[in-house]
Amino acid sequence: KNEVEQSPQNLTAQEGEFITINCSYSVGISALHWLQQHPGGGIVSLFMLSSGKKKHGRLIATINIQEKHSSLHITASHPRDSAVYICAVRSAGDSNYQLIWGAGTKLIIKP
Amino acid sequence: SQTIHQWPATLVQPVGSPLSLECTVEGTSNPNLYWYRQAAGRGLQLLFYSVGIGQISSEVPQNLSASRPQDRQFILSSKKLLLSDSGFYLCACNPRASPLHFGNGTRLTVT
Repeated sequence: KNEVEQSPQNLTAQEGEFITINCSYSVGISALHWLQQHPGGGIVSLFMLSSGKKKHGRLIATINIQEKHSSLHITASHPRDSAVYICAVRSAGDSNYQLIWGAGTKLIIKP
Repeated sequence: SQTIHQWPATLVQPVGSPLSLECTVEGTSNPNLYWYRQAAGRGLQLLFYSVGIGQISSEVPQNLSASRPQDRQFILSSKKLLLSDSGFYLCACNPRASPLHFGNGTRLTVT
């Protein structure tokens, strides 16, 4: 079993829909990252969080440390949100900031 | 904020030829630096990371090597490329306790 599991693996939705991508992990962590990889390959860091909730525009990330679970939400989804969304965690006590990566969720938003 | 320069953007090399990919970082000092590879349709695989000049840790045994001759310069090399070295190579920077920042990547095709 992978230490970081994402679901769903693939998600297709219509423009305007509310999107939820889930990430579960099995190790103690000091931080969790959500990243977005565009079709061209570039990767952008969306959020880094260790507790609670963060919001940036139409994106919301939440984390429940006790349940070892995080969600990424997209409100009013748009075709430009189509990308692979990746969850990654930093193990607690890791001084080198290495990340354990999820396999990614491929999101397609249809107009 | 940090800027990562990575070049070239694409590269086609014959089997057995050498490789040198360079990554430079602006806007921060003494960052952790990472080389990742992504095979087609796969997740990110950490190849090397560095916490300081001359300090390189290898995650995966292979015919690649990395060097950090200066604080903000990270180089990925190979003496003889294999077909299996084809992939998308990403340099990343992680100032202490901050989100990862990625370069735009180099798409390497070994023929």
